[in-house]
Amino acid sequence: DTGVSQDPRHKITKRGQNVTFRCDPISEHNRLYWYRQTLGQGPEFLTYFQNEAQLEKSRLLSDRFSAERPKGSFSTLEIQRTEQGDSAMYLCASSPTSGRAGGSYEQYFGPGTRLTVT
Amino acid sequence: GNSVTQMEGPVTLSEEAFLTINCTYTATGYPSLFWYVQYPGEGLQLLLKATKADDKGSNKGFEATYRKETTSFHLEKGSVQVSDSAVYFCALRSLSGNTPLVFGKGTRLSVIA
Repeated sequence: DTGVSQDPRHKITKRGQNVTFRCDPISEHNRLYWYRQTLGQGPEFLTYFQNEAQLEKSRLLSDRFSAERPKGSFSTLEIQRTEQGDSAMYLCASSPTSGRAGGSYEQYFGPGTRLTVT
Repeated sequence: GNSVTQMEGPVTLSEEAFLTINCTYTATGYPSLFWYVQYPGEGLQLLLKATKADDKGSNKGFEATYRKETTSFHLEKGSVQVSDSAVYFCALRSLSGNTPLVFGKGTRLSVIA
């Protein structure tokens, strides 16, 4: 178990450019989540997948954001026409879909991708 | 909707002091409750959890008890160390399934020797 990995760890881009981030979950985990964390705030949910199906999208996920998980393994998060307000840490987490009763399906987080839009 | 409110930081303590970080929540039904910790330069790590009322989660000397009557899940440690310096996040997840986490804003703890 190598944990959740994210690439790149840091990205600096100019306003208006497109960026894409990758997340590799723990191999046996069916669920994959994307969160965004801005300075001084807790992570906020963006979207999540069950295998390759995108089950829910937050209202935070504007139409400039798109996420995919084409084979139910790794996922990508693309931001088109980046804005300075997109500067944040983008976190990926994965969890299994079987667990003890009570909803205690632990989510394992990756190290995050820090995006800076100049 | 579901929400988590935790005490604002930063909190600065001397080594071996007692720590309390308050966390209250608003949720329908009986959510699962979590404390995550984020050490400098690292990702979020689960510190402890509780899945039903009166459960006590504990790990690394930290404890938190799920109090349904006060909708609280306060984090405590009897004697903090410099290595506990980090940002602590309280979070919940609804019992309706394997759903996304709702986090508080985080509390930064600095422990000085």
